[in-house]
Amino acid sequence: GAVVSQHPSRVICKSGTSVKIECRSLDFQATTMFWYRQFPKQSLMLMATSNEGSKATYEQGVEKDKFLINHASLTLSTLTVTSAHPEDSSFYICSARVPEVGGQPYNSPLHFGNGTRLTVT
Amino acid sequence: AQSVTQLDSHVSVSEGTPVLLRCNYSSSYSPSLFWYVQHPNKGLQLLLKYTSAATLVKGINGFEAEFKKSETSFHLTKPSAHMSDAAEYFCVVTPRGTGRRALTFGSGTRLQVQP
Repeated sequence: GAVVSQHPSRVICKSGTSVKIECRSLDFQATTMFWYRQFPKQSLMLMATSNEGSKATYEQGVEKDKFLINHASLTLSTLTVTSAHPEDSSFYICSARVPEVGGQPYNSPLHFGNGTRLTVT
Repeated sequence: AQSVTQLDSHVSVSEGTPVLLRCNYSSSYSPSLFWYVQHPNKGLQLLLKYTSAATLVKGINGFEAEFKKSETSFHLTKPSAHMSDAAEYFCVVTPRGTGRRALTFGSGTRLQVQP
């Protein structure tokens, strides 16, 4: 079945440094990927929509210069947290829709990566 | 506009007893509805989906959900809980066939299974 692979699963970095998180679709092409942030014991918050070959679309309140998204190929999107601060510590999850034959693209379910636990010290 | 309400933030059952996780939704458009499960420090796994076919949807691991338009509900059930079912469950709604990309997540229900 379709798999979305996210790497790394866990990262600890020092304040002021940058961290890159990768999201790959392993056996399908994903023109669109989604990046979520999850705070402890809370639901997922959509941060941005990553579009292959074009600029990402950011949700209101999400700093695009801080959370850089690159979607250079149909199977890879990256999220870079720049100049990380302790308040950026969180669980980041990527997802992608798997196209279904004969189905409408917006009805197909999202498949999620296993998430990245970012801790900024 | 659309919204999802998961009526219980926490549900505790004994192993072998039925599970009921409640979800109500509102949507200006005909919805597609999903249930996802999240184990600690993991991503979300799709349990089942409703996209306009049969109103009773069967998913993985013995879970099923019934779409009830009159009640605007999509409750998740399982006849007999297993210890491995302990996790966080999310109900998700998206407008069907409108070209909109937005998914709305419920706040989640933590299922605890007692031995």
